[in-house]
Amino acid sequence: GAVVSQHPSRVICKSGTSVKIECRSLDFQATTMFWYRQFPKQSLMLMATSNEGSKATYEQGVEKDKFLINHASLTLSTLTVTSAHPEDSSFYICSAGGGRTDTQYFGPGTRLTVL
Amino acid sequence: QKEVEQNSGPLSVPEGAIASLNCTYSDRGSQSFFWYRQYSGKSPELIMSIYSNGDKEDGRFTAQLNKASQYVSLLIRDSQPSDSATYLCATQGGSYIPTFGRGTSLIVHP
Repeated sequence: GAVVSQHPSRVICKSGTSVKIECRSLDFQATTMFWYRQFPKQSLMLMATSNEGSKATYEQGVEKDKFLINHASLTLSTLTVTSAHPEDSSFYICSAGGGRTDTQYFGPGTRLTVL
Repeated sequence: QKEVEQNSGPLSVPEGAIASLNCTYSDRGSQSFFWYRQYSGKSPELIMSIYSNGDKEDGRFTAQLNKASQYVSLLIRDSQPSDSATYLCATQGGSYIPTFGRGTSLIVHP
């Protein structure tokens, strides 16, 4: 299967700081990337859909000014959590799909802890 | 509203038994169907995809799709303790935006 990486895998930051998470498709070109958030023992929650070269589409209730998404190339999308607060602590996961391939492949996730 | 329903479980089966995981979906426009496995603290990994009615087998896993009944299932034969995880069902239509169920927790006990 296709390989998707995420960096960093774990980050601890102070309240008020911004954190950038990178998602890369390593062996295919991803025209679409998705960003999810998952709280402990809860289901995946889709935050936004990111298409290369265009603005991300955010799900209802997700603040686009707080969660900045950039999909500048076919292999890289970034999620920046701006002015992070403890309630933003969660497991953030990206997935990527390429071209006519509709299968989504997940990155390993980034665990964010905001103190 | 597109919905994918799964019994949250836990489904508990003895080692060596067949585990049967079920999923129903509301969007008749769904074209692609996926099963993912998620271990605790890890991200989901793709197990199988299925696109047409019937059965699709891959090793110990068999996915079954019935579009008329809007029903997808996953059978795991010869279940092993390492199969203990949460299994996510997902559907996709032409937009390529997946809709995930909340997952079924499977416990395989020795």
